[in-house]
Formats: sequence, structure tokens, C-alpha cells
Amino acid sequence: DIQMTQSPSTLSASVGDRVTITCRASQTFSSWLAWYQQKRGEAPKLLIYKASILESGVPSRFSGSGSGTEFTLTISSLQPDDFATYYCQQYDTYSWTFGQGTRVEIK
Amino acid sequence: EVQLVESGGGLVQPGGSLRLSCEASGFTFSYYRMNWVRQAPGKGLEWVANIKQDGNERYYVDSVKGRFSISRDNAKNLLYLQMNSLRDEDTAIYYCVVRGVSKPSWGQGTLVTVS
Repeated sequence: DIQMTQSPSTLSASVGDRVTITCRASQTFSSWLAWYQQKRGEAPKLLIYKASILESGVPSRFSGSGSGTEFTLTISSLQPDDFATYYCQQYDTYSWTFGQGTRVEIK
Repeated sequence: EVQLVESGGGLVQPGGSLRLSCEASGFTFSYYRMNWVRQAPGKGLEWVANIKQDGNERYYVDSVKGRFSISRDNAKNLLYLQMNSLRDEDTAIYYCVVRGVSKPSWGQGTLVTVS
């Protein structure tokens, strides 16, 4: 199985900050990589798929990049609504794997 | 628009059984692999099981092998998860997820509590 290591586990930031979350895979795969935002009590919300494609309706301050084994989610200017937990996911193989999550907190 | 609606969750005693269902609409169900993903309270996301379009290939996370069974009814656009020998650690929200052409789509989940 492909293991996904996400960092940091917690991130303290202020409104307006540029934020970067990283996911590293244990082996190379074909960029079938998604990023999700999850708020308490809600289902995960898809932000980015195929590593860099912005899901319809998601603000353009979110962007994804990377290939091979290293992928990043960037929020260009953190907004109050962005304080949440973020997960990466590889969906290249039949047995999907997720990063451990990054909680973005108010500094 | 893809819609996935899970049902069948509830409270069950350890050792008991439960069958989850997922009703799919907005896409050609028989064309796509389907998955179950779960999230224990306060924990991260964990993939549980995957089934091929025709139901002839199934994959499971090690912790549920021999206890859970994924199946589908393409005529009714339904996905199932039969859960037997349930344990406390199976307590979670269970999500039905379709692996679309380029992206996953999720249902809202159904809560299973083993206690």
C-alpha cells in the first residue's frame, strides 16, 4: 500500500497568511491525489483533485501542486472560513490511503 | 449531479451485525468502482473496501477482512456493506464514495456505533 505522510499535523496561522500543507507518498504514483477540507460534524469537502485541478465552486485561493511522491496544498490568503482540518488522499490504487490530517488553527 | 445517500447505521452490540446501504444517482452506477470509507470519532479517514464495476473484484483493509463484505446491485443502483462480528473499534461514520473518471464523490455518511 502507498503510505501518505502529511505535515504539519497542526498549523497556527492568521487571517491573510499564506499556508502550505505537504503530503509525501511512500512510492511514486500517477497524480491521482485529492485534497479535502473537513469541518466538525461535516463530510469531507473536495477542494483539489488530480493533484492540481480546482473543484468547481472552490475559491481560487486554494491551489494544489506536485507529482511523483510530493504534493502540496496552498492557501494563498487564509480566510476565517478556512480554519478546519485538511486531508490528502491518493486514489491511484484500489486501496486508497489518506494523510493523517492537518488542523489549521487561529493564531 | 452525483448523489450518494447512505443508510442503515445505528447502535449495535459488540459481536453484532449491521448492513449499510448506499443509494446512487446522477451517474451510471454500473460504470464505476465503489468504495466505503470510515472515520472514527475524532480520528482521520480510513478506506474500508472497494468493489469493481461488475462485483467480481473486492478489496478490504486488513482490519475488516473476514468480517465485512462489500456488494452491489447495479439494477437498483445500490451499494452495500455487510458488517459482521462488529467491534468497538468499528464505531465510525461510514461514507460511500465513487471513484469517478477523474475525482471521488462522497455521500454524507451514516453513523455506526458499537457499544
